[in-house]
Amino acid sequence: KAGVTQTPRYLIKTRGQQVTLSCSPISGHRSVSWYQQTPGQGLQFLFEYFSETQRNKGNFPGRFSGRQFSNSRSEMNVSTLELGDSALYLCASSDTGGSYEQYFGPGTRLTVT
Amino acid sequence: AQSVTQLGSHVSVSEGALVLLRCNYSSSVPPYLFWYVQYPNQGLQLLLKYTTGATLVKGINGFEAEFKKSETSFHLTKPSAHMSDAAEYFCAVSVYNQGGKLIFGQGTELSVKP
Repeated sequence: KAGVTQTPRYLIKTRGQQVTLSCSPISGHRSVSWYQQTPGQGLQFLFEYFSETQRNKGNFPGRFSGRQFSNSRSEMNVSTLELGDSALYLCASSDTGGSYEQYFGPGTRLTVT
Repeated sequence: AQSVTQLGSHVSVSEGALVLLRCNYSSSVPPYLFWYVQYPNQGLQLLLKYTTGATLVKGINGFEAEFKKSETSFHLTKPSAHMSDAAEYFCAVSVYNQGGKLIFGQGTELSVKP
């Protein structure tokens, strides 16, 4: 099976703009989780979608949002970008979520200038 | 609330030496525990997991970890380090009944000297 894919791999945006990142899970996986990775804060959970519904959410401001489509592909959106949003954004998929292992994509490196 | 602590942000070993990366967790319910590895400019790759059953779990690339409930630990070991093991390693706990949410430790960067 193909692994988790994320597009784009690299992105440069200007403060105040918005951005949309895309994630395609492993075929058959219905859960997609998103994480932000920064040198200072490490890996932090953003949210999880399962069968098109947000099932869990981390402690991020409302500028961070996401959605999942019927084919399990997911997008996350960040509005009104701030310099501190510069990070590696990782998505992970699993067959049911819950306590099962997650498989990660290569990430999207977002730089906000 | 669940949390994960990795002791040592950086560990350096010689090629052929034992690798020991430490992880302690805090969880009010039986945890599911994972070790992931991250190579530069890449995502995370699952090394091994503990869910239930045997407390000594074996993973890929010769790594293994032992779940010790009494010590709330899940240390990662490899008998003989290889240059290709140089990477960052993350311990994570799955949050029971909170969907696909992993809580990660801060990571340990492993260097392997020739």
